[in-house]
Amino acid sequence: DGGITQSPKYLFRKEGQNVTLSCEQNLNHDAMYWYRQDPGQGLRLIYYSQIVNDFQKGDIAEGYSVSREKKESFPLTVTSAQKNPTAFYLCASGEDRDPDTQYFGPGTRLTVL
Amino acid sequence: GDSVTQMEGPVTLSEEACLTINCTYTATGYPSLFWYVQYPGEGLQLLLKATKADDKGSNKGFEATYRKETTSFHLEKGSVQVSDSAVYFCALTGAGSYQLTFGKGTKLSVIP
Repeated sequence: DGGITQSPKYLFRKEGQNVTLSCEQNLNHDAMYWYRQDPGQGLRLIYYSQIVNDFQKGDIAEGYSVSREKKESFPLTVTSAQKNPTAFYLCASGEDRDPDTQYFGPGTRLTVL
Repeated sequence: GDSVTQMEGPVTLSEEACLTINCTYTATGYPSLFWYVQYPGEGLQLLLKATKADDKGSNKGFEATYRKETTSFHLEKGSVQVSDSAVYFCALTGAGSYQLTFGKGTKLSVIP
C-alpha cells in the first residue's frame, strides 16, 4: 500500500521539551511539506522540501526545524522556542509530474501540557 | 499575496439537500484551484481540482468550476448524504509556485 504515514497520532509533551514528529512516504515523491492546523483555521505551511538535503521555510517556521536526509522521510522537530505548539500537524508530499497536487498523511495531534 | 476566502460555517443540511460552498480567491496570473475534504480526526483528501479557466473539476458527485471573471471556485453537490459530513477547504497554488494557500475551511453537517 502506497501512502504517507505519520506517527504517533496523539502526542503529549511537557512545556519546554523538544519533540519530533515523524513523516514517512513510500510514494517516491520528491516534495514533502509540513503544515500546522489550528481550530477554525486553514492550514499554514511550516517547512517544505523539494529534494533530499534541501528545505525551505514556509510562513510560520519560527520555533520549528526539519531535516531531509532520505527521500522517504521528513521529520519535524517542535522546539521549546515555539510559543504555542499545541496543534494538529499534517505532513504532505507531491510528485514532480503533478506538482500542484499534494497528498496528506493522517496527522499528529500534539498537546503541550 | 495570494489568499482564499470561503464561506463561514458551520453549514447544516438535511440529507438529499443541495449544497453550495462559496470560495473566492486573490492571486496573480492563473492559479490552480483545489477543494480538499477533511473527515473528523483525519488528514486532508483531495476532492477535486481545476487548473485553468472554465475547467470543471468533479468527483463523488461534487463539482466546481474555475471562474476567472469572478475569481471563484464554488463547490456544489446536488444531493448530500450523511457521509458527506466533513470540513471542506478551498485552496490554490499560485502561478509558478507549488505552495498551497488554504481558506479557513467550512464545516458541513448532514442530518438524516
